[in-house]
Amino acid sequence: GAGVSQTPSNKVTEKGKYVELRCDPISGHTALYWYRQSLGQGPEFLIYFQGTGAADDSGLPNDRFFAVRPEGSVSTLKIQRTERGDSAVYLCASSLTSKGDTQYFGPGTRLTVL
Amino acid sequence: KQEVTQIPAALSVPEGENLVLNCSFTDSAIYNLQWFRQDPGKGLTSLLLIQSSQREQTSGRLNASLDKSSGRSTLYIAASQPGDSATYLCAAPSPTTSGTYKYIFGTGTRLKVLA
Repeated sequence: GAGVSQTPSNKVTEKGKYVELRCDPISGHTALYWYRQSLGQGPEFLIYFQGTGAADDSGLPNDRFFAVRPEGSVSTLKIQRTERGDSAVYLCASSLTSKGDTQYFGPGTRLTVL
Repeated sequence: KQEVTQIPAALSVPEGENLVLNCSFTDSAIYNLQWFRQDPGKGLTSLLLIQSSQREQTSGRLNASLDKSSGRSTLYIAASQPGDSATYLCAAPSPTTSGTYKYIFGTGTRLKVLA
């Protein structure tokens, strides 16, 4: 079956612009996670959704970052007033439930802020 | 608090060599551990997933082992090829206060296999 998909695969934007990154989880997975990978580092947790609600957003770096999952499936990570330091690979993962099931990762979106 | 360390940070080997990548984790109460491959400028490709009840998993020329008691996992690559050149990441789950788990990643081992 289809895995986690993310669009776009690459996004180049200018400093100060608004961007949206999309994640399509595996069908039927209730838990969805966003991670960010900066250059030379391993991915770091940003936010977790159980169903439609953001159950844990402790990893979001500041209030310019926001994510939604209105129907409990597709999620959108939104970044306002982008800064050059936001340049990274943004990864999405999903799992069947949140209680210790394997997280399956998407291919990521590479965001470059000029 | 889960911390994941990978050694070495970089490795360069001639084609055909067998090699071992190391991953250590501080919290042994994990339910699984994953190994990923990442090519330059690309996302993650899952290579092997080891459940906590397993000691090893194999896929082709790759074999991953897990020793929870010592907090270690190794990824063994047999008969390395130039196409194996990539960064290899391991990730272990860590519980969150919200009742779920987040993966903690190592910083990876950057492998270069020379033709």
